[in-house]
Amino acid sequence: ETGVTQTPRHLVMGMTNKKSLKCEQHLGHNAMYWYKQSAKKPLELMFVYNFKEQTENNSVPSRFSPECPNSSHLFLHLHTLQPEDSALYLCASSRTQVTSGNTIYFGEGSWLTVV
Amino acid sequence: GIQVEQSPPDLILQEGANSTLRCNFSDSVNNLQWFHQNPWGQLINLFYIPSGTKQNGRLSATTVATERYSLLYISSSQTTDSGVYFCAAVENQGGKLIFGQGTELSVKP
Repeated sequence: ETGVTQTPRHLVMGMTNKKSLKCEQHLGHNAMYWYKQSAKKPLELMFVYNFKEQTENNSVPSRFSPECPNSSHLFLHLHTLQPEDSALYLCASSRTQVTSGNTIYFGEGSWLTVV
Repeated sequence: GIQVEQSPPDLILQEGANSTLRCNFSDSVNNLQWFHQNPWGQLINLFYIPSGTKQNGRLSATTVATERYSLLYISSSQTTDSGVYFCAAVENQGGKLIFGQGTELSVKP
């Protein structure tokens, strides 16, 4: 248990569906992240929120839409995805945006399959 | 931006053996972390170690910042050590936490 909880753990969706991934952290952190991990590839940073403000969008297609209503919750809204978007989506948090002295903690991930 | 490279990419061990995983980074860092990803996808923090040496049970890590590398030592390996080990770093000028490509470890009984 890392203090970062993701739901659902597994999601299968069609290309025309709209779904959302949810992340909640119980660590009192102010920065939250979405990472994507495709098979046999390193983690790719998607979005960063620091004190509820988006500070990083790593050229992510608009079919992925993040939402951070408060410092404890982060959503990733999914719309008209492609099969190549199938991957493990990992949420993480840290005290503030990662710099010296900050450790980042990950949730268990959401396995997404787009059919 | 900073480049993070890990070696070896794959490693197979017999239970009880020792191993050393390496992480090279291309620039000075102010943040370096090691993680273990289990077969279910969970990333577990092992060490926060931008410099120096730390130990936690059978695992230890050393970062030589001046030479831009970090080592993760696993002693008396167990089957539960199997998974992918990642290092990740932030360069001194700040920026993103960049992950290496990982070392996939398989410990056989």
